[in-house]
This record gives sequence, C-alpha cells and structure tokens, in this order.
Amino acid sequence: LAKTTQPISMDSYEGQEVNITCSHNNIATNDYITWYQQFPSQGPRFIIQGYKTKVTNEVASLFIPADRKSSTLSLPRVSLSDTAVYYCLVGDRNFNKFYFGSGTKLNVKP
Amino acid sequence: GAVVSQHPSWVICKSGTSVKIECRSLDFQATTMFWYRQFPKQSLMLMATSNEGSKATYEQGVEKDKFLINHASLTLSTLTVTSAHPEDSSFYICSAPETGLNIQYFGAGTRLSVL
Repeated sequence: LAKTTQPISMDSYEGQEVNITCSHNNIATNDYITWYQQFPSQGPRFIIQGYKTKVTNEVASLFIPADRKSSTLSLPRVSLSDTAVYYCLVGDRNFNKFYFGSGTKLNVKP
Repeated sequence: GAVVSQHPSWVICKSGTSVKIECRSLDFQATTMFWYRQFPKQSLMLMATSNEGSKATYEQGVEKDKFLINHASLTLSTLTVTSAHPEDSSFYICSAPETGLNIQYFGAGTRLSVL
C-alpha cells in the first residue's frame, strides 16, 4: 500500500502558478493517482487523475515522472477561491486498497 | 461528474441516542460506497466499505456495532451511529465510485455534534 507524503501548507499569491507535490515511493503497478480539493465543512471534490506522464484538464495539470514515485498537481493562475486543502490519493482502480495523503493547505493571498 | 447526496448536513443529538446518515448516488448506481470520518485539520479516515446486498467491511479499530452500515439498494447507503457519545462528534463523509471509473465522488458531509 502506497503511503503518501505532502507538504502541510503552502502560500501563494493570486495569479501565480502553484505546484503541489505528493510523494508515494511505494506505489504499486496497478495504482492510480487522484487529486481532490476540499473546502471547510465540505466533502472533497475531484480535480484530476493520472497514471503516468502528464494529464491536463480545464482546471489543473498532473505531472507524473517515469518512476511514478511522486506526482505534482499544478494549478495555473490561482485565485483567492483556490484556498483549500488538496489531497492526493493513491490506489488501485478497484478500490481494494487506497490511501489518502495528509493534505496540503493552500493559502492564496491577494 | 457524478453526484452524491448526503443527508443531513448537520445534526445535533443528545448522548445515548442514535443518528442515521444517508448517502445517495443521484445519477449512477453504486455497488460500493465508502464512509469516512474527519477530525478538524486532519485527513479523511476510512471507516468502512459499504457493499450493496452484503455486509460492510470495517477498518481496523472501527466498532461495527457502534457504526451500523446498511447498503440496501444500488443508490443508497446509510450509516447509523448508535448510542452516540460526545466523542463521536465529528464530520462524516461518504463517497461512491461510479461504475467503470476510478474516481470517488463525495457527499457534502455531515457534521455530528453529540451533547
């Protein structure tokens, strides 16, 4: 089971690009990497998912190196509303085993 | 994305009473749902896996007689906190993966306060 490690917190300013890295040294061949955003007193919201290389959608990009031991969530041009906790989750596609990271509190300043 | 509805969003109860939380997948069927507990400033802690038509699977350390889970249909799972005590006060969240997708969709969560 891949245990994940994330920075506890990060600060940024509006308009900047933010990169949040998650380490998962013991990731298994069948594991996918998923990132979620959570606001206070709400359930997590899906952001992006990947297996390897790079994935991009309308809100974020996910970079995964060849060894897959880490992944980086990239948020382009953040705004104040992006202030939230971001979690990476590593697990197989059948949800037999999965692990939520401890989360990174992103604070976007004006 | 798929929508998961959780109800109630907030509940206050007296110590010793039981509270039921509902989790519904609104636009898809979910043979599996997950129940989490989250303490302030902490990550989500998986409590149990709810399986439609069969018994739930509980994580180590979670009392199955305390936290009763029923997954009676493909769109509804319930978590009942029995004989609640103040230490059961927490934020409870459910999730459901859409069949064929490797993504969990989460409910909005339920804030339980036991007096």
